[in-house]
Amino acid sequence: NAGVTQTPKFRILKIGQSMTLQCTQDMNHNYMYWYRQDPGMGLKLIYYSVGAGITDKGEVPNGYNVSRSTTEDFPLRLELAAPSQTSVYFCASSWGSSEQYFGPGTRLTVT
Amino acid sequence: AQTVTQSQPEMSVQEAETVTLSCTYDTSENNYYLFWYKQPPSRQMILVIRQEAYKQQNATENRFSVNFQKAAKSFSLKISDSQLGDTAMYFCAFMGVDMRFGAGTRLTVKP
Repeated sequence: NAGVTQTPKFRILKIGQSMTLQCTQDMNHNYMYWYRQDPGMGLKLIYYSVGAGITDKGEVPNGYNVSRSTTEDFPLRLELAAPSQTSVYFCASSWGSSEQYFGPGTRLTVT
Repeated sequence: AQTVTQSQPEMSVQEAETVTLSCTYDTSENNYYLFWYKQPPSRQMILVIRQEAYKQQNATENRFSVNFQKAAKSFSLKISDSQLGDTAMYFCAFMGVDMRFGAGTRLTVKP
């Protein structure tokens, strides 16, 4: 099992550009999550999904969009990137409310 | 909304000694889960220990144990026989309707 994979590992965006962060899990987990971690801070939940076709907002959803068309994939879309979106982004998955398995993270810089 | 507070931004401990990291949370929910995650410099999030709120017995995992006080909404982590490899950021997390993380405690184990 590869677990949770995220691409890319690093990305630099210009203000106003758009991009999609990819997340895939091969553990057949029903729940998937997107977090951001700003320097020196804990993780903040952006969006989560309890199954294919179902998504919900977390604590900091503004400026982001998600979709969940399959169990395995949960891409995060950034539209009109802003410097405030500079952060490390983590994807995670779990079976219900059990342990979350995290991907390695994507470091995004918006300049 | 749920909040998670870690009041110790940094702590240090001598190798082989015991250290306790504090965490308090605020919620109106009755059924929830609490977690401690470790984040070493590699940035990978690693689950240390998990506690279900309906269980009165404190969770233990080898050298790691928790003191869960539901009425006081307190969830501290005790690390016994500290090892150099325990040096990391430690995050307390709450899972109820959504997921919230504390700001973290940076633990340094000194030789």
